[in-house]
Parts: sequence; structure tokens; C-alpha cells
Amino acid sequence: QKEVEQNSGPLSVPEGAIASLNCTYSDRGSQSFFWYRQYSGKSPELIMSIYSNGDKEDGRFTAQLNKASQYVSLLIRDSQPSDSATYLCAVGARDDGLTFGKGTHLIIQP
Amino acid sequence: DVKVTQSSRYLVKRTGEKVFLECVQDMDHENMFWYRQDPGLGLRLIYFSYDVKMKEKGDIPEGYSVSREKKERFSLILESASTNQTSMYLCAGGRGLGYGYTFGSGTRLTVV
Repeated sequence: QKEVEQNSGPLSVPEGAIASLNCTYSDRGSQSFFWYRQYSGKSPELIMSIYSNGDKEDGRFTAQLNKASQYVSLLIRDSQPSDSATYLCAVGARDDGLTFGKGTHLIIQP
Repeated sequence: DVKVTQSSRYLVKRTGEKVFLECVQDMDHENMFWYRQDPGLGLRLIYFSYDVKMKEKGDIPEGYSVSREKKERFSLILESASTNQTSMYLCAGGRGLGYGYTFGSGTRLTVV
């Protein structure tokens, strides 16, 4: 059974600071890694994808992948109140769907 | 970007009813998925398909079936709705694992 683990939080971060979200996964055959953002009452929205070891930056977001440690992270720089949401880590192997973590609830304090 | 549309935002059905949840994607993408999302349990994969007439079971297929007669439409069927199927149902679609998947807005189903 493939598993994706996240700390449920809530993770509280002051506005303007860096928010760091972490995820571990069990399937060593995993090939693709995603971060989704989900606002309360809304559906998940894809914000970052990463496929190889290292860092990938997109605006204020940086995804980090370490396949040897089976670890994925998301950094949000200059956190804004609008970043307050639940962040879902998702992992995929082949085309048989994504396995999701249960999400980390992030609160940005003004 | 692909747009995924779920026909109903809220549904209330009675126990034992046959329920159809519809999902349509506007691109010529093969891969489509049905998830349910429950508090404390997260998103769980019910069924998926990556071609017309093709379907594969996900992690929790019991009590569900699917239909994919056309590439753009993927339907989830609850053969005999039960109260434990009360949930948020989310459809997702996309070109493939290398591109990520887009979710529809979800259908909140209540079975009474």
C-alpha cells in the first residue's frame, strides 16, 4: 500500500516569513511529485510539480525533492494571508493515479 | 489548461437509489480519475481510466462502478447508495503523470 505522510498541522507562520511544508512517501518507484493547494470548501489546485532530485522554483514557491530519503518539501517565501489553506502532497508512479497525503493546514498570521 | 466540469455541486439522494455523478473534460486527454474526500481520511482513489471503454480499480472501488463511453466523459455510478457514501466526490483529468491533473469543482453527495 502506497503511503504519503504529512504533518496535519496547523502550521502557523507570520506574514512575510518562509513557510516550510514537508512530505514523505513509501513507494520507491514513485516518479512524479506534486503540491496542491486547497482552500476550505474548494477543490485542490495544482501549484507545483517536481520530477527530479533538487529544487524547482516558481515565483514564491520552491519544491524540493530527495528521492534517496523519499522526501518532498514545499517552501513558500514572503508568506501572505492568502496562502492560508491546506496543502496536499501527491505522489505518482506510472499512470495509475496519484496518492495523496492528508494535507497540512497552513495559517499565515497577519 | 484542461477544464474539468462536474455537473452537480450538491446532491441529496435516498438510501438504495442508483446515483450517477458526471464528469467532463474539455481537452482530448486520456487520463481521468474519481476520488472521494472525507475529513481525517484525505483523498482516496475510487476508479480511473486512461482510454475509452477502459477502467481500473483504485484503492476503494467497493460499491462503485464507472462508465467511459466517450473520451471526454467519465461517470461514477453508485449502484445502491448507502449513508457511508456521503462524501465529497472529486473528478480529475489530464494528459498524463508528467503534467499533473486538474480537479473539477467537486460534488458534495449526501445520502439520507
